[in-house]
Amino acid sequence: AQRVTQPEKLLSVFKGAPVELKCNYSYSGSPELFWYVQYSRQRLQLLLRHISRESIKGFTADLNKGETSFHLKKPFAQEEDSAMYYCAPLIPGNTGKLIFGQGTTLQVKP
Amino acid sequence: GAGVSQSPSNKVTEKGKDVELRCDPISGHTALYWYRQSLGQGLEFLIYFQGNSAPDKSGLPSDRFSAERTGGSVSTLTIQRTQQEDSAVYLCASSLRWAAQETQYFGPGTRLLVL
Repeated sequence: AQRVTQPEKLLSVFKGAPVELKCNYSYSGSPELFWYVQYSRQRLQLLLRHISRESIKGFTADLNKGETSFHLKKPFAQEEDSAMYYCAPLIPGNTGKLIFGQGTTLQVKP
Repeated sequence: GAGVSQSPSNKVTEKGKDVELRCDPISGHTALYWYRQSLGQGLEFLIYFQGNSAPDKSGLPSDRFSAERTGGSVSTLTIQRTQQEDSAVYLCASSLRWAAQETQYFGPGTRLLVL
């Protein structure tokens, strides 16, 4: 079965510390991968996607096909990064159908 | 322009009643998606539309759930004979096309509470 796993429900770090939010997937083929973020009282929104290879708000994510992982990283966390983060592989087959992980709440303490 | 809008923002209903949830996608977006966000369940895909057609309904939890889209725009998610386990936030998203790599833009959600 196609699955995505975010093993940490809550990740708590201090401001300025490095952050890594883990995501592992199990899909045949090479899915396109996204990270979505939901800040408090805001809509779910796209943070970044693998195909763009871009860095948004200092976050990057590297696809590791060997480990089937797409961990989200930031070298120095900021308080405004506190939010719920979802890893979402796109199901191969060109449908646009996203399967979200359970989500990880990132809490950045001052 | 305006983003994805959903109505109502909150809905409280009694067990056994039918409810209709509405989604207005971004103008010109041909693809529309429904998701459900439950406590402890994360985000769950329900159904998507390519234009007015829904090629994959396998994500709908039961036959009490149905959805339609008319005019390639507004979509309605209907839940018949609501149960307490239907309580969740129902999210709608739209994208310019139904192809892969398209960014999905989410609405604010409808919070449904079934008493």
